[in-house]
Amino acid sequence: DIVLTQSPATLSLSPGDRATLSCRASQSISNYLAWYQQKPGQAPRLLIYDASNRATGVPARFSGSGSGADFTLTISSLEPEDFAVYSCQQRFNWPITFGQGTRLEIK
Amino acid sequence: EVQLLESGGGLVQPGGSLRLSCAASGFTFSTYAMSWVRQTPGKGLEWVSTISEGADRTYYGDSAKGRFTISRDNSKRTLYLQMNRLRAEDTAVYFCAKDLAPAAIGDAFDNWGQGTMVTVSS
Repeated sequence: DIVLTQSPATLSLSPGDRATLSCRASQSISNYLAWYQQKPGQAPRLLIYDASNRATGVPARFSGSGSGADFTLTISSLEPEDFAVYSCQQRFNWPITFGQGTRLEIK
Repeated sequence: EVQLLESGGGLVQPGGSLRLSCAASGFTFSTYAMSWVRQTPGKGLEWVSTISEGADRTYYGDSAKGRFTISRDNSKRTLYLQMNRLRAEDTAVYFCAKDLAPAAIGDAFDNWGQGTMVTVSS
């Protein structure tokens, strides 16, 4: 199985800051990586698919980059509503796997 | 607007069975692969199973193989997960999720239900 390792586990930043979240795969997964945002008590929300494509309705401050085994989710300027848990997911092969998540908290 | 509404969760004893349902609306259900993803309280997401749009292909995670069965009824626009021989470690919120692209499988999930809680305990 492909293991996705997200770092850091927790990121403490302030509104207006730039956030950089990492997801590293245990092997190359081409660009078959997605990013999700999840708030307490809610379902995950797709932000980025195929490493760098924003999903419908996702603000432009969210961007994804990377290929192979190293990927980054960047939030250019944090809004109050961006503080949440972010998870990555690979679809390169079965089984589909998720990272353990990065908690983005207000500093 | 895409809507996915899960039901069927609840409290069940170890070794018991439960069938989850996910009623879909707002899109052409029969053209999208569908999946179940679960989340243990306070933990990360775990993919459980995926079924193709025509139900001819199914995929399972190791935790589900041999115990869970995914199915769908396109005429009723409903996805199912039959869970047998349940264990305490199956306790989780179960989400149904829709593939991003039609006629694809193993895609990103662009729409999710609100989840249904399954608790396995004596």
